[in-house]
Parts: sequence; structure tokens; C-alpha cells
Amino acid sequence: EPEVTQTPSHQVTQMGQEVILRCVPISNHLYFYWYRQILGQKVEFLVSFYNNEISEKSEIFDDQFSVERPDGSNFTLKIRSTKLEDSAMYFCASTRAASSYNEQFFGPGTRLTVL
Amino acid sequence: KQEVTQIPAALSVPEGENLVLNCSFTDSAIYNLQWFRQDPGKGLTSLLLIQSSQREQTSGRLNASLDKSSGRSTLYIAASQPGDSATYLCAAVNYGGATNKLIFGTGTLLAVQP
Repeated sequence: EPEVTQTPSHQVTQMGQEVILRCVPISNHLYFYWYRQILGQKVEFLVSFYNNEISEKSEIFDDQFSVERPDGSNFTLKIRSTKLEDSAMYFCASTRAASSYNEQFFGPGTRLTVL
Repeated sequence: KQEVTQIPAALSVPEGENLVLNCSFTDSAIYNLQWFRQDPGKGLTSLLLIQSSQREQTSGRLNASLDKSSGRSTLYIAASQPGDSATYLCAAVNYGGATNKLIFGTGTLLAVQP
């Protein structure tokens, strides 16, 4: 069964460093998302991406964040200069279409730890 | 602004019991509602999706209902098993959004005792 994959599973970085989190969405899906979950808190929407551009972003998604689909399969989230408060689980999700009956499928997540 | 809440925050039941998890949302103009399961330190597994035009959906021992007028959804788990132990999340998609972003509840941590 097709699934969303994410790498790495765990990333440890020093404050101020750049990190790139990678995702491979399900192959025939067209809409891609990043969410994050700070330990003990709700899962929060960060950004959605369609047709090679950002469709919607939350107030969390500031200039330190960027997304890219560098080729036909990968979808990346870059944090330019990490802060302690960026420590969280980051989930990638995808769906085939933005209709009422299309589920979003999530990857296993990347745990980001900023020291 | 849509707010999604789930009660109880935690629930412990003996194996075999039927149980109901609750999800409330403040804005009834939802497009759909999705229930997920999250195991500790893991990703989110989609369980059921209910479209705004539907009242319920079933998958195996799971049944999810939706009542937009009261701003509520419930997830019914029949004959619970220890393997059902996990955190259950509900998430709503509002009408008018650009790309169906999910707004999540706080989750219910379920423990099924053998």
C-alpha cells in the first residue's frame, strides 16, 4: 500500500543551524502539507503546497521556513536558522485532491531537536 | 476561528468494553472531519473520514458520527482490545480554505487494560 515517507526520523541540530526535512508523498497525490507537533501540544498546520507553489500558510510559517518540491517525488521543509522552540515532531502529509472525500495521509514524522 | 476540543483527555477501559470518544468543534461550517490514531512517538494513521453531507462512517469495529448542528463528532469503538491503546485525534477541515488544512483537537489517550 502506498505511503508517505519522511527522512530523517530524528534530527539533532545546534541553534542557528539550517535543517532540511525531507518527505516523499504518495505518488499520485497533488496536495502536500507540513504540520508540526510540539511535545504535549496539538498538531498544528504549517503550510500547504499545490502546483509548485504555497497555497496557504499559518502564522507559524515565517521567513525562516521554506518549502520546495525539487523534483517529481521529494517535498522538503527548510528551516534557515533553527531556534530552541522549533524542537517538535514535523509531519508531512499528502492528498490526491482538495475535495471533501479525500483523506490526508501522514508520514511517520521527523523528530527535530534543537540544542 | 475554528477550535476543536476532545474529551476526555484520557480514558482507561477494560478489554471488551465498548467506548465513545468525543470531538467538539466551534464552527459548524466544516467540509469534512477526519479521525486519526497516533501511537507514542509515531505518525498519524487515518481511521475514518466523514464528509459534511454524511452522518456516519464505519470501518470494522469503528463507527464515527457527525452532527454539524451541535458541533460534535463521536468515535465509537466496539469490543475494545489492548491493541486499540493509542491517542485518538479528530481534525476538521473548514469550508472556504484554500487547500483543506486540518485543524486538530487535543486528542484522547486511550488505554485498554487486558
